[in-house]
Amino acid sequence: TQLLEQSPQFLSIQEGENLTVYCNSSSVFSSLQWYRQEPGEGPVLLVTVVTGGEVKKLKRLTFQFGDARKDSSLHITAAQPGDTGLYLCAVIKAGTALIFGKGTTLSVSS
Amino acid sequence: DAGITQSPRHKVTETGTPVTLRCHQTENHRYMYWYRQDPGHGLRLIHYSYGVKDTDKGEVSDGYSVSRSKTEDFLLTLESATSSQTSVYFCAISEAEGTDTQYFGPGTRLTVL
Repeated sequence: TQLLEQSPQFLSIQEGENLTVYCNSSSVFSSLQWYRQEPGEGPVLLVTVVTGGEVKKLKRLTFQFGDARKDSSLHITAAQPGDTGLYLCAVIKAGTALIFGKGTTLSVSS
Repeated sequence: DAGITQSPRHKVTETGTPVTLRCHQTENHRYMYWYRQDPGHGLRLIHYSYGVKDTDKGEVSDGYSVSRSKTEDFLLTLESATSSQTSVYFCAISEAEGTDTQYFGPGTRLTVL
């Protein structure tokens, strides 16, 4: 059973569109992280959310942690081709190990 | 960018041969990790280290061993490679545990024929 379910699995949109991707679980977490991975590279941390209901903004990216700390969303406003990549959510399990969702592959065409 | 290098970056080998992947860091971070990334499975933890000579198993440790004799180096060994170990392997480091940021290396693409 996958601890973190990400949806959609794939998303292909035009430049300028808005989009939201989701990370859901039946478990409660003390924190959740979002990473972006570009082709041929390792994941890079975008944000860590730790408080239920927390909203963090990173330029055109808005991250929200659910009130019950079981889910999170990532909203991108006016997507650009540079936003193309694999978006991964991850949580800490029993210490330092990260458990990742399978990711959402985003393609933004101009 | 965090100073993490992985070698080799690409390797093709045959079933049954031993393979060692190296992760080298210049950040003096205490924690080091090995993940594998496969289509349909995402990133999965193989082994991690919380100090020199201190290692522990992750989710998919069968068929892999690790060693850390120096802070800066974390080696992943496939004693007898199998086709199911064809994957992209990522090393990561972090300074502390918990919600501390993990920095990932560029990855090693391993193909086992």
